[in-house]
Amino acid sequence: AQRVTQPEKLLSVFKGAPVELKCNYSYSGSPELFWYVQYSRQRLQLLLRHISRESIKGFTADLNKGETSFHLKKPFAQEEDSAMYYCAPNRSGFQKLVFGTGTRLLVSP
Amino acid sequence: DAGVIQSPRHEVTEMGQEVTLRCKPISGHNSLFWYRQTMMRGLELLIYFNNNVPIDDSGMPEDRFSAKMPNASFSTLKIQPSEPRDSAVYFCASSFSRGSGETQYFGPGTRLLVL
Repeated sequence: AQRVTQPEKLLSVFKGAPVELKCNYSYSGSPELFWYVQYSRQRLQLLLRHISRESIKGFTADLNKGETSFHLKKPFAQEEDSAMYYCAPNRSGFQKLVFGTGTRLLVSP
Repeated sequence: DAGVIQSPRHEVTEMGQEVTLRCKPISGHNSLFWYRQTMMRGLELLIYFNNNVPIDDSGMPEDRFSAKMPNASFSTLKIQPSEPRDSAVYFCASSFSRGSGETQYFGPGTRLLVL
């Protein structure tokens, strides 16, 4: 069965500290992976996708097929990064995303 | 473009009443998704359409839930009869799909409270 796990419900860090939001998946084949973010009072929106290999707002995510992980990282957290983050694998060839339960990131000054 | 539009933004109803949620996808998008978000279960896909045709409704909880997409610019999610456990935020999202991996654009959500 397709499964995605975000083990941390809440991650609290101080401004300037490194951040890593964990995501592990269990998928057959080669999934495509996404991170979506929901800032307070805003819509859920795409943060990044592993295909594009972009760095968005300082965040990066590396697909580790051996560990079946797609952790989201940022070297220096900012207060405006406080939000809810969802990892979402997508089975290649299908449109359906399966969202993790999400991790709330709180960045304190 | 105003993005995905959902109405109403908030709905409070009594148990047993019919609830209809509405969604207007982004013009030109050919896929539409309905999600439900709760504290306990997170964000769950209920159903999605491609070119107005339902493709996967395995996430629809039970027969009380139904969804339609009569044309490319409108979809409804109906709950009849509603129950308190249906209280959640319901999101609609759309994308332009070429097979897989396309970005989904979300609406602001409808916050439903069933008393």
